[in-house]
Amino acid sequence: SQQGEEDPQALSIQEGENATMNCSYKTSINNLQWYRQNSGRGLVHLILIRSNEREKHSGRLRVTLDTSKKSSSLLITASRAADTASYFCARGGAGGTSYGKLTFGQGTILTVHP
Amino acid sequence: NAGVTQTPKFQVLKTGQSMTLQCAQDMNHEYMSWYRQDPGMGLRLIHYSVGAGITDQGEVPNGYNVSRSTTEDFPLRLLSAAPSQTSVYFCASSWTPRGEGYTFGSGTRLTVV
Repeated sequence: SQQGEEDPQALSIQEGENATMNCSYKTSINNLQWYRQNSGRGLVHLILIRSNEREKHSGRLRVTLDTSKKSSSLLITASRAADTASYFCARGGAGGTSYGKLTFGQGTILTVHP
Repeated sequence: NAGVTQTPKFQVLKTGQSMTLQCAQDMNHEYMSWYRQDPGMGLRLIHYSVGAGITDQGEVPNGYNVSRSTTEDFPLRLLSAAPSQTSVYFCASSWTPRGEGYTFGSGTRLTVV
C-alpha cells in the first residue's frame, strides 16, 4: 500500500489547547491535503499545501510540509469542542498513473473536551 | 445546492446480488473518484475518472465496475456482492487534474449479508 502513517491515532485535549497531528508518506507528491470528517458524515476539505511550499495558514489551521522527510503536520490552535472529528491527510500523486489521485492516511481521531 | 449527491444512503444486500451506487455532481468537475472506508483502514481508492469516457483503477478495484458516460454521473456497480464489500462508500469530485480540494458526497453505507 502507498498509504503513509498518521499519528497519533487518537488525541484527546481540552478546549483552548492546541492540537497537532502528523502525517508521513512514502512516495513523491504533488500536494498534500487535510480533510475533516465528522461522525457519520462525508469528508470536508480543510487545506492544501503544494510540494514547493513549506507552510500554509488558514484561520486557526497551520500546515507544514517537509518533503525531505516526507512528512507534514496539521496544527489546530485554540481548539473548540466543535473541532471534535477525524482528520485525514491525503497525498496528491506526483505523476504518471498517480496524477490526480489521492491516497489517504488512516486518520487521527481528535476529541476536544469542553 | 451544488455538490456531490450519493444514493442510496443505506443498503443491505444478500451475497451474490448486484447493485449500482449512484453518484452525481453539478459542479462540472472533470475528476471523480470512488472510495471505500473501513474501520482502521482509512479511505481506499476503488476507481477514478478524469472525464467522460475515461476511467482508471485505484487501489482496490476488484469486484467493482464503473463507467462515465456524462460529466455529471459516475455510478459504481457491484457485480456480485460479497461480505468483504461491507463498507461505507464515498464519491468525490474535483475540478483540477492535481486532485486538489475534492468535494465528497455524504456516503452510502452498504451491508452485505
